[in-house]
Amino acid sequence: GENVEQHPSTLSVQEGDSAVIKCTYSDSASNYFPWYKQELGKRPQLIIDIRSNVGEKKDQRIAVTLNKTAKHFSLHITETQPEDSAVYFCAALSGNTGKLIFGQGTTLQVKP
Amino acid sequence: DAGVIQSPRHEVTEMGQEVTLRCKPISGHNSLFWYRQTMMRGLELLIYFNNNVPIDDSGMPEDRFSAKMPNASFSTLKIQPSEPRDSAVYFCASSRQPFTGELFFGEGSRLTVL
Repeated sequence: GENVEQHPSTLSVQEGDSAVIKCTYSDSASNYFPWYKQELGKRPQLIIDIRSNVGEKKDQRIAVTLNKTAKHFSLHITETQPEDSAVYFCAALSGNTGKLIFGQGTTLQVKP
Repeated sequence: DAGVIQSPRHEVTEMGQEVTLRCKPISGHNSLFWYRQTMMRGLELLIYFNNNVPIDDSGMPEDRFSAKMPNASFSTLKIQPSEPRDSAVYFCASSRQPFTGELFFGEGSRLTVL
């Protein structure tokens, strides 16, 4: 079945440093890869997404890369700030089933 | 736009009781998803609907769980009878399309079964 693995489960960085979160997926029919940010006690909210016909996408301090051959995609946050502290989830959408499967999440802590 | 609306926000009940969680998707969205979030298992897809029809319920843990979508603006997730291991945050989400759209999540319903 579909599966998304996410690493690391926790990540602590100093303010101003970069943070990288990596995900792999199993369903080769996956064609849409969003990233969600969830602050404590809040709902997950989309921060960036990438589709299978693109290798990289950037939005200010965040960027996502996709390697379809390796079934691997990553989130990059540069110049991290304390307000970036949250749980980040990657996800993969199967083009066959329409199911959006989430990774286990990464708790990012940015120390001031 | 009011967003996805869920109720109740918090529910505390005793084992064996029936629990009903409610969701109103964003107007115009034709896909609706129910997810369960726990520390151990993360965000699990329970079931999703497209145009009010259940498309995939393979994530529903067992027969105690059932979900309905009688119309485009309302869905329920029912647990009967509830058990302590059902304690979790249940999120409803909607999207414009089932295969390519962004998911918009509700605030979630935090369920505690004693």
